[in-house]
Amino acid sequence: DAGITQSPRHKVTETGTPVTLRCHQTENHRYMYWYRQDPGHGLRLIHYSYGVKDTDKGEVSDGYSVSRSKTEDFLLTLESATSSQTSVYFCAIRAPLDTQYFGPGTRLTVL
Amino acid sequence: KNQVEQSPQSLIILEGKNCTLQCNYTVSPFSNLRWYKQDTGRGPVSLTIMTFSENTKSNGRYTATLDADTKQSSLHITASQLSDSASYICVVSGGETSYDKVIFGPGTSLSVIP
Repeated sequence: DAGITQSPRHKVTETGTPVTLRCHQTENHRYMYWYRQDPGHGLRLIHYSYGVKDTDKGEVSDGYSVSRSKTEDFLLTLESATSSQTSVYFCAIRAPLDTQYFGPGTRLTVL
Repeated sequence: KNQVEQSPQSLIILEGKNCTLQCNYTVSPFSNLRWYKQDTGRGPVSLTIMTFSENTKSNGRYTATLDADTKQSSLHITASQLSDSASYICVVSGGETSYDKVIFGPGTSLSVIP
């Protein structure tokens, strides 16, 4: 698992509340990613980071923000959660040859 | 548009049988193609990776093939086991922008039954 953990693993929240998901890695990889996975879709990139304080948007970034103040932590924030953000969120790091290692996922339900 | 398509969407096979999963892509320029296995409730795990010059790569009972001319790949599973029940995802690296460099297919859901 390349030393990747995500917290929380499960969360239920209400529409309009802020939510922060955390990804932590222990192997000092430069690139980190946040994806969401929904039935019928491949994993879709939300945001990624290429270093401390260096982040960029992915294909489905609306409604999400990220921060990376330390190499090992990459935070994903939903400023005001909506039901369309109910999903499974995966964090990943990039290893050589573009191989990615994924965390265990966070299942988020927005009621 | 850079895309990865997989077929079939789902598959049920008997334990001990072989099966083949398909992946077609339109990603250009092409860098490499990987197959991932994703067990229910877990993150994807890499099975094989192939670059442009490789046509086949094996990992135990899993054998992946790549035809870069037709932009097709297949994953062949030999002597299936119950533990092979999972989603298999084809991932292609390439594309013109930075974030579409890694493009995921929707996956094939495989169920192996006794």
